[in-house]
Amino acid sequence: SQQGEEDPQALSIQEGENATMNCSYKTSINNLQWYRQNSGRGLVHLILIRSNEREKHSGRLRVTLDTSKKSSSLLITASRAADTASYFCATAPLPSGGYNKLIFGAGTRLAVHP
Amino acid sequence: DADVTQTPRNRITKTGKRIMLECSQTKGHDRMYWYRQDPGLGLRLIYYSFDVKDINKGEISDGYSVSRQAQAKFSLSLESAIPNQTALYFCATSDEREPNFSYNEQFFGPGTRLTVL
Repeated sequence: SQQGEEDPQALSIQEGENATMNCSYKTSINNLQWYRQNSGRGLVHLILIRSNEREKHSGRLRVTLDTSKKSSSLLITASRAADTASYFCATAPLPSGGYNKLIFGAGTRLAVHP
Repeated sequence: DADVTQTPRNRITKTGKRIMLECSQTKGHDRMYWYRQDPGLGLRLIYYSFDVKDINKGEISDGYSVSRQAQAKFSLSLESAIPNQTALYFCATSDEREPNFSYNEQFFGPGTRLTVL
């Protein structure tokens, strides 16, 4: 069963605008990660936020985590056409049983238009 | 990620054929994974391996088998391919050994697009 659900499923914006994607999950987690996938290619890790963290930044990316609401958001500021991709959240649920498996959501397809 | 390679990149086969997908990594990671991705869905875990002697089933292992030939090589086999195994298959690695413990940040290969007719 899918743990993480991204919202929206698709997002279309103009270059320079900010893009916000949300992820909701169902169980307690060790950490939550965001990945990017360019069309038909492998996933690339963007950022990891631990369950005891509330916000994290990496370049133009800002991730927040609200464990009380079991939700996370990914903000991409000043978007570029090269940001066009699918974005997936992945949760590492607890208890892990010694294995921090990842459960991926269905993703948000982001299109950034020049 | 060029450190994780998959062969072949594309494969078209017929129902009933045996297919092997191969994955190699130069990252020196201990853990390796096989996922499949279907349109509109996230990735689903097929098998994972902590080391050469440790193989574990994921959520959708039926119809698949794996072999961890070496720390750097992890292959996925479809013993008798069927059309609903048409999908994009990804290999991934992670490094969970101290001091490189990564909380399971995973590094993905470029994928194999498999079509079963």
